[in-house]
Amino acid sequence: DAMVIQNPRYQVTQFGKPVTLSCSQTLNHNVMYWYQQKSSQAPKLLFHYYDKDFNNEADTPDNFQSRRPNTSFCFLDIRSPGLGDAAMYLCATSIGGSNSPLHFGNGTRLTVT
Amino acid sequence: GQNIDQPTEMTATEGAIVQINCTYQTSGFNGLFWYQQHAGEAPTFLSYNVLDGLEEKGRFSSFLSRSKGYSYLLLKELQMKDSASYLCAVPASGGSYIPTFGRGTSLIVHP
Repeated sequence: DAMVIQNPRYQVTQFGKPVTLSCSQTLNHNVMYWYQQKSSQAPKLLFHYYDKDFNNEADTPDNFQSRRPNTSFCFLDIRSPGLGDAAMYLCATSIGGSNSPLHFGNGTRLTVT
Repeated sequence: GQNIDQPTEMTATEGAIVQINCTYQTSGFNGLFWYQQHAGEAPTFLSYNVLDGLEEKGRFSSFLSRSKGYSYLLLKELQMKDSASYLCAVPASGGSYIPTFGRGTSLIVHP
């Protein structure tokens, strides 16, 4: 089945220790998104790629970076995680039209100790 | 930008009907999505409305009124597994494909 896969499902890192979250898709969608979601809050868009074009949200901290080496893969790098970065990180894909629903991966729950 | 408002929490009884409302303000309208999110899991797509009226999909229906900036999700014959958060999402104006999500309505279904 075509899907969006995130690894790992749970990630524990230490304060200040860089961490990378990964996402892959077999849907061949143009757009890949990274959202951050904290408990009982709306998913917050960090950035997205339309094909190779990178789009950063204005309020995404510099501590967060992303790479999309090819259509199938996208990575989220957190250079120096702080306690406030503990959250669920959701990767999603879409075809790219305004009527295109997002297809989410299962998410990575990040804990910062 | 968009402003999306949903109730924080609702409770209902198994077998009943519940209506979850969403109001939005956007400078240009490109449709409205509903997603279901179980605790600790990712959102899954439920419905998309771009024209006024009711769209029915099994036990779930979604309604849109563009003139009122209002939508609702109607869940019939509630089951325990329907306990989840229901997120309303609206793409930005100008033909954008980027949705802004509401904070979600946590639905608790009691036996």
